[in-house]
Amino acid sequence: EDQVTQSPEALRLQEGESSSLNCSYTVSGLRGLFWYRQDPGKGPEFLFTLYSAGEEKEKERLKATLTKKESFLHITAPKPEDSATYLCAVQADTGFQKLVFGTGTRLLVSP
Amino acid sequence: SAVISQKPSRDICQRGTSLTIQCQVDSQVTMMFWYRQQPGQSLTLIATANQGSEATYESGFVIDKFPISRPNLTFSTLTVSNMSPEDSSIYLCSVGAGGTYEQYFGPGTRLTVT
Repeated sequence: EDQVTQSPEALRLQEGESSSLNCSYTVSGLRGLFWYRQDPGKGPEFLFTLYSAGEEKEKERLKATLTKKESFLHITAPKPEDSATYLCAVQADTGFQKLVFGTGTRLLVSP
Repeated sequence: SAVISQKPSRDICQRGTSLTIQCQVDSQVTMMFWYRQQPGQSLTLIATANQGSEATYESGFVIDKFPISRPNLTFSTLTVSNMSPEDSSIYLCSVGAGGTYEQYFGPGTRLTVT
């Protein structure tokens, strides 16, 4: 069974204090690993897709990396507007496009 | 990315009743998905809805409880039938991006069953 575990559950940072969020996964065959941002009362907002180990993608203060067992979302010099829940999901390389999500990391960035 | 809207945005319903949630997309998409996000839990796929075919349900979800319609390439509905308090959740639709495996989500419908 495909599984995704995210850590930590919650993270509090000071503005400018860089850190990383972890996503560990088990999947029969990985088609892709996805990162989303979810603000309270809203649907998940797509951030990145990673397809193979060693791949990296960046967007503003966020950088996502992928190994064969886990992915990291690095947040460099975060700002209060980066406060949100960050979700990780995997998609197996079957004929279906089901996303299996982790429970997310709640990030709070204080000024 | 596609612009996705859902109606209603929230509702409070009595147990034993049914609610139909609508999902509208601003462009034609082949694949639409319905997820549930229960408090403190991860998003869980309920079913995949492709136009012109019956929805495919995940283990633990049945058509009698969650009937789905997909009449065209821009619209889908999910009905939550014979509701109980355990059905209180956020229901989200998503669409597959053409040419990639990415999915884009609607704003969700927050359902409370009393």
